[in-house]
Amino acid sequence: SQTIHQWPATLVQPVGSPLSLECTVEGTSNPNLYWYRQAAGRGLQLLFYSVGIGQISSEVPQNLSASRPQDRQFILSSKKLLLSDSGFYLCAWSRPGAGLYNEQFFGPGTRLTVL
Amino acid sequence: ELKVEQNPLFLSMQEGKNYTIYCNYSTTSDRLYWYRQDPGKSLESLFVLLSNGAVKQEGRLMASLDTKARLSTLHITAAVHDLSATYFCAVASDSNYQLIWGAGTKLIIKP
Repeated sequence: SQTIHQWPATLVQPVGSPLSLECTVEGTSNPNLYWYRQAAGRGLQLLFYSVGIGQISSEVPQNLSASRPQDRQFILSSKKLLLSDSGFYLCAWSRPGAGLYNEQFFGPGTRLTVL
Repeated sequence: ELKVEQNPLFLSMQEGKNYTIYCNYSTTSDRLYWYRQDPGKSLESLFVLLSNGAVKQEGRLMASLDTKARLSTLHITAAVHDLSATYFCAVASDSNYQLIWGAGTKLIIKP
């Protein structure tokens, strides 16, 4: 069976500090990977997706970046955090195939507070 | 512009009552997903609807898809407190091959 991990679970960071969130998937090969952000009480905002190693597509221009150094590893980074970066960050995966519209499976999330 | 609209966005109801959450979308699609999110938690997949007329049921929840009307419904029968959560629909767009998410419906069920 497939599992998805995210860490850390919770993070409190000062404004201007760097960020690195990690997501790994087990039990599948060549998954599509996604980073979402959810502000408090709001819906999902797709930040990045990846269909393969080194292939990253950005949906929203901002001070965040993503990388996929290995097939089942997806990293979200920032050089300098803003207050507006606070939120609940969710990583998800879906089976590879035509398009990105397969069912997505979510990790447990990272709650980021920027002070 | 591709849009997915859920309504209501907020619903407070009594235990034992029935209600329906609606998910309307503007793109052509033949697959739609429903997810549940408990407060402070991640999203959990509830239903996968893959064709026109698809109906799925689990416990007190039943989801259906009408691709001609571009509408999916999530029906709650005899609600219980444990069903309190936020429910999201996500539509698979035929035009850009991505999932388009609704804003979510926050459901509170009072004893």
